Parts: sequence; structure tokens; C-alpha cells
Amino acid sequence: QKEVEQDPGPLSVPEGAIVSLNCTYSNSAFQYFMWYRQYSRKGPELLMYTYSSGNKEDGRFTAQVDKSSKYISLFIRDSQPSDSATYLCAMSRQAGTALIFGKGTTLSVSS
Amino acid sequence: DTGVSQNPRHKITKRGQNVTFRCDPISEHNRLYWYRQTLGQGPEFLTYFQNEAQLEKSRLLSDRFSAERPKGSFSTLEIQRTEQGDSAMYLCASSLGGTYNNEQFFGPGTRLTVL
Repeated sequence: QKEVEQDPGPLSVPEGAIVSLNCTYSNSAFQYFMWYRQYSRKGPELLMYTYSSGNKEDGRFTAQVDKSSKYISLFIRDSQPSDSATYLCAMSRQAGTALIFGKGTTLSVSS
Repeated sequence: DTGVSQNPRHKITKRGQNVTFRCDPISEHNRLYWYRQTLGQGPEFLTYFQNEAQLEKSRLLSDRFSAERPKGSFSTLEIQRTEQGDSAMYLCASSLGGTYNNEQFFGPGTRLTVL
């Protein structure tokens, strides 16, 4: 079993839909949780960063961490065609350590 | 542009040749990371520097790979005697540091193709 599991999709939604992306993990020592967006042939772009548990909101994006279930989520409201990309979850145990990534979920938003 | 920069952006080489990539982190970021990403996979950690000290290396980093960060600023990743299996996107990330900070910002990557 991989440390971080993420459904690769693809996920296709119409413009304006609410998108839910999820990852599960097995290592209870993870404390830092991130979501990255990656367009084709580009580097990952940091979208959301959370330390420990809880929710964080930034514009149309909401990140949730449930450490008791070892489950993290990213919600995108009012999805746009420009949101079409691969979304990667990442996590780590401590500051200054390697990020462990999921495989990424490919999202397509149609207009 | 104050983000992480990487050069070259693309590199095509023949099997057995040596290649070197450069990464310039965000100014004042003392932590620098190298990752490798293959098609359909998330990035995989290779190595990590805090200032000029290389603090961690992955088992993925075979003897043919070497990384340096001589003055705690830019870093280089060299691959000797390249193999076709080395074909991947090589990503560099930097982080400001601090006890509770692990936000890592990535560069655009160097795409390596080994023929």
C-alpha cells in the first residue's frame, strides 16, 4: 500500500460545478498537507497549505484535513475551464522534509 | 520574476552522456529540494539541502546522481552515464525554512529525454 492514495480520474464536470478531490494516507505522523495544481508540462503550483487539522478557505478553494480518518479534501466552487489541470495532494511529517505526493487527479471542466 | 527558475527547460541526450541541471531558488529561501516526476505519477523526492548542507538523499538517488549547492544559493543536479530510465521531469523546489513551515514552491522543471 502506498503512503498516499489518490484516484487519478479523469474527472469531468461542467462549468460552474462543485468539484471534490480527495486523498487518503496511511502515515499518522503526517502534519503538513498541501494541494498543488499542475498544468500539462509545467511545474506544480501551490494552491493550499494546511498545518495539522482543520479547514482552510481561499477564494473558490477549500481544503479540509481529517487526521482521525487520514483523509484530506480539496473543494473547488464555481469551477471554470481554466481549472482544468492535474491536482496533486502532498504531505510531510515535519518542516524541512520531503513531500510525499499522490499520483494526481486529472480534472476537466467543460464550458 | 521572483519564482524558482530552472535551466535548461528541455534536454535531449544520448544514453551514456552526462547532463547537468541548474536550479535558482527563491531569494532568501534556505531550503532547496530536487524531485523527479514521470508521466502519470506525482513527483518523487530525490534530495534536500539546507543552505549548503545536503541533509537527506532518497534511495532513488543512485551513485550516478550527484547534487551540490556550493554557496547555499543555486544548486546543480548531475546525472552521469545517463540511461533511458532517467527520462523524466526534474523539478526543483525551495522553502523559506522555519520550525513549522514546509511550503515548497516549485520551478517549471527540466524535461530530460534520453535516447
